[in-house]
Formats: sequence, structure tokens, C-alpha cells
Amino acid sequence: EAQVTQNPRYLITVTGKKLTVTCSQNMNHEYMSWYRQDPGLGLRQIYYSMNVEVTDKGDVPEGYKVSRKEKRNFPLILESPSPNQTSLYFCATWGGGETQYFGPGTRLLVL
Amino acid sequence: GQQVMQIPQYQHVQEGEDFTTYCNSSTTLSNIQWYKQRPGGHPVFLIQLVKSGEVKKQKRLTFQFGEAKKNSSLHITATQTTDVGTYFCAMNTGFQKLVFGTGTRLLVSP
Repeated sequence: EAQVTQNPRYLITVTGKKLTVTCSQNMNHEYMSWYRQDPGLGLRQIYYSMNVEVTDKGDVPEGYKVSRKEKRNFPLILESPSPNQTSLYFCATWGGGETQYFGPGTRLLVL
Repeated sequence: GQQVMQIPQYQHVQEGEDFTTYCNSSTTLSNIQWYKQRPGGHPVFLIQLVKSGEVKKQKRLTFQFGEAKKNSSLHITATQTTDVGTYFCAMNTGFQKLVFGTGTRLLVSP
């Protein structure tokens, strides 16, 4: 079964404590990306990756880092989280067709 | 950056009524995609429109792409409670880099 998995699904943390949200896909897709979803703003792209070791900024990259060391994984790293990064995060993959597949989401609260 | 405006933000209908959400861009779009997100869920791809004036149907859902490729609409005929969710349009700016509209939240009362 085609899957995009994210961990953790829910996370409460404090300002400044580094965290990583993992994303993994089993569809052998080259393209992966991260979005954040905030009320009234829709989904905004944070970072994307066209392939292993190839990453680029999306529309709201400040405060985030990513890495793509292997095709199936695309972790999102918050080195020093702040309360304005409280949001719902989605990982997505694309394999060349029309459809972009989204993970189940990670709800993050930064106190 | 490129923006896609979506209206209305919210609509509450009685089951059986029709529903329409509109997406507008100030620039010409190469294509537009539509997604549905159920409450507590993740966006799920519905359809992609590419051609000027294109109309596609999926059962009770009708998707249109404007002649000038600057606007799009999603129309649901005779809504059902299973249609509840937020509907997003998304502009594909290349290599699946999507710029999403702000979404229309649909609530359907039985």
C-alpha cells in the first residue's frame, strides 16, 4: 500500500528545544516537500526536494532545515522552535503524475 | 509571490443544496488542482485542470477552468453530509510546487 508516514503525529515542546519531524514514503518518489497549515492561510510550502541531496526553499523556510540523504526520507528540523512555529505540518510526495500524496500531518505546539 | 484567492471562506448548507467555491488568480495559471481535506485529515487530490475552458466531472462534482486560465470553480450538486470538509484549489507553479488557496470550509446539515 502506497504510504506517506510522519512521526510524531502530535508534539508539545518548549521554545528553543530542537526537534525533528520525520517523513517517510514507500512509493520511490523523487520529489518530496513540507507544508505548514495555519487557519486562514491555507497550506504554505516550507522546503522541497527534487531528489537525494537536492533541496530548495519554499515560501516560508525561515526557522526550518531539511535534509535528503536517502530517497524515502525527508526530515524537517526545527533547530530552535518558537511559538510562531506552532502549526499543522504536512509532508507530501510526487512521483511524476498529477497527484501529490500527503502524509497524515503532525500537529506541533511550541510553548 | 503568486497568490490564489479563494471564496467563500465558509459555507453552511442543508443537505441536498448545491455548493460552489471559486478560485481566482491575477496571473495566468498553467494548471490548477483541487484537493479535499476532511476534518482532522490531510489534503486528498481530487483533480487537475490544464486546458482553457476545461470542464471535468466526478459524480456530483463539476470542476471548471476559466477561458483565460485565471479562475476555476468547483460545484457540488445536491450536497451530502459526506461532502463536509475544506476544499482547496492549488496552483502548480512547476515540478509540483503548489501554491494553495486559503480554502473553503463546507458544512452540510442533515
